[in-house]
Amino acid sequence: QVQLVQSGAEVRKPGASVKVSCRASGYTFTSYDINWVRQATGQGLEWVGWMNPNSGHTGYAQKFQGRITMTRKTSISTAYMELSSLGSEDTAVYYCTRAIWPNLDVWGKGTTVTVSS
Amino acid sequence: SSELTQDPAVSVALGQTVRITCQGDSLRTYYASWYQQKPGQAPVLVIYDKNSRPSGIPDRFSGSRSGNTASLTITGAQAEDEADYYCNSRDSSGYLLVFGGGTKLTVL
Repeated sequence: QVQLVQSGAEVRKPGASVKVSCRASGYTFTSYDINWVRQATGQGLEWVGWMNPNSGHTGYAQKFQGRITMTRKTSISTAYMELSSLGSEDTAVYYCTRAIWPNLDVWGKGTTVTVSS
Repeated sequence: SSELTQDPAVSVALGQTVRITCQGDSLRTYYASWYQQKPGQAPVLVIYDKNSRPSGIPDRFSGSRSGNTASLTITGAQAEDEADYYCNSRDSSGYLLVFGGGTKLTVL
């Protein structure tokens, strides 16, 4: 079945970086965009950005410009999201999702990123 | 601040009909998608495009749009429909996405 499997929880200190992975299975990885969405505890969903796994083209929400990078390794059907200069406000669950633009039809279970000194 | 605006909370009596709305200028051009999220779970797509449902989504869920407002209607709400609902769509540029702030639905 179609699924996205994300890497495990991460804890980082302020100012550090984190890289989250998302492995796709059950479909052709390069045929659908991957989007990332995050959710702080008790808060709403926040769109982070998208990547086309075929071309590598990306698009990021303005608030993350300059400190976010989305990449992929097609040989293992895996997408990555790296966020740098972490602050406490980046503490959240990060979801990867498959997109039939702009509809996000398959979601990973989420990766908890905690930023704490 | 979000470019899509939702009411924070809505309630409905069991078996009745409820409409959840989402307002934004980009909705005059683009359709909204709707997601259901239950506590501790990832969101699930329930409505996309004009009024399409993914496989497995009950037909009591429907979508519509009028002007700058998109609506998710649940006809005959069930206890299991109690959840947070989020709309999303393209932003005003058309190249990025944005989510509404979410609506907490309570089924009484």
